Amino acid sequence: GDSVTQMEGPVTLSEEAFLTINCTYTATGYPSLFWYVQYPGEGLQLLLKATKADDKGSNKGFEATYRKETTSFHLEKGSVQVSDSAVYFCALMVNTGFQKLVFGTGTRLLVSP
Amino acid sequence: NAGVTQTPKFRVLKTGQSMTLLCAQDMNHEYMYWYRQDPGMGLRLIHYSVGEGTTAKGEVPDGYNVSRLKKQNFLLGLESAAPSQTSVYFCASSYGLAGGLTDTQYFGPGTRLTVL
Repeated sequence: GDSVTQMEGPVTLSEEAFLTINCTYTATGYPSLFWYVQYPGEGLQLLLKATKADDKGSNKGFEATYRKETTSFHLEKGSVQVSDSAVYFCALMVNTGFQKLVFGTGTRLLVSP
Repeated sequence: NAGVTQTPKFRVLKTGQSMTLLCAQDMNHEYMYWYRQDPGMGLRLIHYSVGEGTTAKGEVPDGYNVSRLKKQNFLLGLESAAPSQTSVYFCASSYGLAGGLTDTQYFGPGTRLTVL
């Protein structure tokens, strides 16, 4: 079945460090790929998305490229801030009669000053 | 424009008690969803609705019922709560088929439920 695998957390970084959070997926067909972010005490918010191979989604300094050959959608940011501390979820969307979102287990990011 | 709201924010139940969680959205979205979030398991879909008056089962529907009598509201009911239903519950909504496969789901702030 369709699934998403994310790297285990927490990921602990110092401010201004480079961030990579790995995400790989298994899906039939051609899914759309998403990164959602959950700040403490809040619901999930869409961070970025990509709809086809080689597309790059970007927002707030975060980027992810849809790599069909490696079935990956790794999240990157060149210089993290303390305010980026949150849980990041990779997800894919498949059309099974309605648009079903399949989430990874989430990766907690902790950024210290 | 409040987006997606959920009530209550917190609740503690005893085993066997019942309760209803309310989700409301003011974006005129067709689709609405209920998820539960458990440590190490990400979000799992409980039930969803593709329009007013419709509901369908998701991945983990057992022990829950839902209703969508009005387009803007989606209710999640627990008839006889069990400790295994201790979780954080999130409601979400989206445009639905009009949004295609890039459709964004908008999430509420969550309800933290503890069943003793």
